[in-house]
Amino acid sequence: ETGVTQTPRHLVMGMTNKKSLKCEQHLGHNAMYWYKQSAKKPLELMFVYSLEERVENNSVPSRFSPECPNSSHLFLHLHTLQPEDSALYLCASSQELAEGFREQFFGPGTRLTVL
Amino acid sequence: GNSVTQMEGPVTLSEEAFLTINCTYTATGYPSLFWYVQYPGEGLQLLLKATKADDKGSNKGFEATYRKETTSFHLEKGSVQVSDSAVYFCALSDNTNAGKSTFGDGTTLTVKP
Repeated sequence: ETGVTQTPRHLVMGMTNKKSLKCEQHLGHNAMYWYKQSAKKPLELMFVYSLEERVENNSVPSRFSPECPNSSHLFLHLHTLQPEDSALYLCASSQELAEGFREQFFGPGTRLTVL
Repeated sequence: GNSVTQMEGPVTLSEEAFLTINCTYTATGYPSLFWYVQYPGEGLQLLLKATKADDKGSNKGFEATYRKETTSFHLEKGSVQVSDSAVYFCALSDNTNAGKSTFGDGTTLTVKP
């Protein structure tokens, strides 16, 4: 595998389910991100992890819980979601440098539908 | 804080037409600038980038020049193809924002044969 992979690619869940999205990067990067992309809305940054520490949490509801066990893996745990949470969830990674950050590499996304 | 404003879409062009998608930015530091492209059903992928003023990024016939005096990074292509139909995002990143990139809202381009 190369680049950034995400599983599953598609997920349908009920509002009472618990599920997890997985992201893995094979690029040796030290920062990882979760984004939410909804139809007709701007890309929303949800969480940023740098060197496995969460450095950004953009007022995301607690029903979304991120986990970064190591620099290559990132999870998004989902619990009691709402229909408005249906969206494409994108994972990305990048390399943090002293002078700034390089471009982000994105996975293909998980298309989530909440019934 | 940082912000990116890009041309509202959707943009519809005929094949071989000239493309410009405008992008302007505000930033507190000295950002790097990027254009990403998202094809249907896929994630974003980097199209081109420029890391300092007057740099020109280019890829697949697309070009953009980092203009510090006008805080702009407009995307251009001389002759678009149907396969260029996608959503294009302008973005910036710098070292003052905890690693966060700032994205524009995206511009949808449709190229008709």
